[in-house]
Amino acid sequence: GDSVTQMEGPVTLSEEAFLTINCTYTATGYPSLFWYVQYPGEGLQLLLKATKADDKGSNKGFEATYRKETTSFHLEKGSVQVSDSAVYFCALSGGLAQGAQKLVFGQGTRLTINP
Amino acid sequence: GAGVSQSPSNKVTEKGKDVELRCDPISGHTALYWYRQSLGQGLEFLIYFQGNSAPDKSGLPSDRFSAERTGGSVSTLTIQRTQQEDSAVYLCASSPRGTGGGKLFFGSGTQLSVL
Repeated sequence: GDSVTQMEGPVTLSEEAFLTINCTYTATGYPSLFWYVQYPGEGLQLLLKATKADDKGSNKGFEATYRKETTSFHLEKGSVQVSDSAVYFCALSGGLAQGAQKLVFGQGTRLTINP
Repeated sequence: GAGVSQSPSNKVTEKGKDVELRCDPISGHTALYWYRQSLGQGLEFLIYFQGNSAPDKSGLPSDRFSAERTGGSVSTLTIQRTQQEDSAVYLCASSPRGTGGGKLFFGSGTQLSVL
């Protein structure tokens, strides 16, 4: 079935550092790809998405490019802030596997930014 | 507010008891999802509703778990004869339609603790 694998955390960085959180997927067909974020004490919310190959999703300074050739959707930010501390989840939906209407999530990566 | 509402926010129960968790989706959202988030784990899909029917219930861990949705709105997740391994945060999400290309709106979850 469809699956998502993301880089294990926790990740700790200093403010203004460059961030990459790796995400790779396995899916049949042409899934849509998402990054969700869970800030402390809050519910999950969509950060960005891409619906086809070579699309770049972006939001709040974060970017991720849908790479079909490497089945990846790595999350990047050029200069992180303390307020970016959260748990980040990579997800996919819409593959051809049974149950294509659900989101399949990775295990999450906890990010902590120190001032 | 107009977000996804879950109740209770916290539930402590004794092993062997039954529990009911409630989800009020955003008005007009036809798709509703239940996920489980265990400590140190990612989000585990449980069940998906489109209207009142559940085309995908593949994630329900055992026959102790059941869910229903009435009036195309409120959903209840029931866990019978709870076990300690059922302890987790149960998340509900809704969307205007299936997730292909769309996004999910999550509630804040119900923290279930089975003693």
